[in-house]
Amino acid sequence: DQQVKQNSPSLSVQEGRISILNCDYTNSMFDYFLWYKKYPAEGPTFLISISSIKDKNEDGRFTVFLNKSAKHLSLHIVPSQPGDSAVYFCAASAGGGNNDMRFGAGTRLTVKP
Amino acid sequence: GAGVSQSPRYKVAKRGQDVALRCDPISGHVSLFWYQQALGQGPEFLTYFQNEAQLDKSGLPSDRFFAERPEGSVSTLKIQRTQQEDSAVYLCASSSSGLGPTDTQYFGPGTRLTVL
Repeated sequence: DQQVKQNSPSLSVQEGRISILNCDYTNSMFDYFLWYKKYPAEGPTFLISISSIKDKNEDGRFTVFLNKSAKHLSLHIVPSQPGDSAVYFCAASAGGGNNDMRFGAGTRLTVKP
Repeated sequence: GAGVSQSPRYKVAKRGQDVALRCDPISGHVSLFWYQQALGQGPEFLTYFQNEAQLDKSGLPSDRFFAERPEGSVSTLKIQRTQQEDSAVYLCASSSSGLGPTDTQYFGPGTRLTVL
């Protein structure tokens, strides 16, 4: 039961350009969404989050957009840097807490210099 | 170190063996989570502790999986009679309270379990 889907397993972008990573969800009870970044041999690290009462949250080069009607969110990275190359996981939780997060399968981003 | 640590980092087991995976959360963190990450997939929730209390174990795939956190800090995930489908990376995460949406979960590096 894939409640959170990341349909693009990989994405390649030139340094300096925008990276757009997409995520879709099916459970309308989800009210909090997170993006995690994972380097090889390390655990995921929290990147940015958004509550369902907002449609945009920005933190430096990272912006997350939420479209509740479409059950879709996206992560924009601009400008992209080679150090951004990693696997990005979208996650969602319901009920105002993150005790039970559902993760997507991840998108591997490669930023080419 | 200040982060979440897990041991061993790699474990190879023969089918039918029992294994124990350890997690040392960030000092003072109340909540502790275990996830299973199969190859090419995202982490899947297994179980959650608040201090020593196991509040949610709905994600444990079978009764061969058992987790404990007896003193509210270190946790152990035990898998009995391992099967090949148990092969995965087991991730541990901790958070200061785990009760609110802004309470970030900090992940350890994971233990890669391979069952032959």
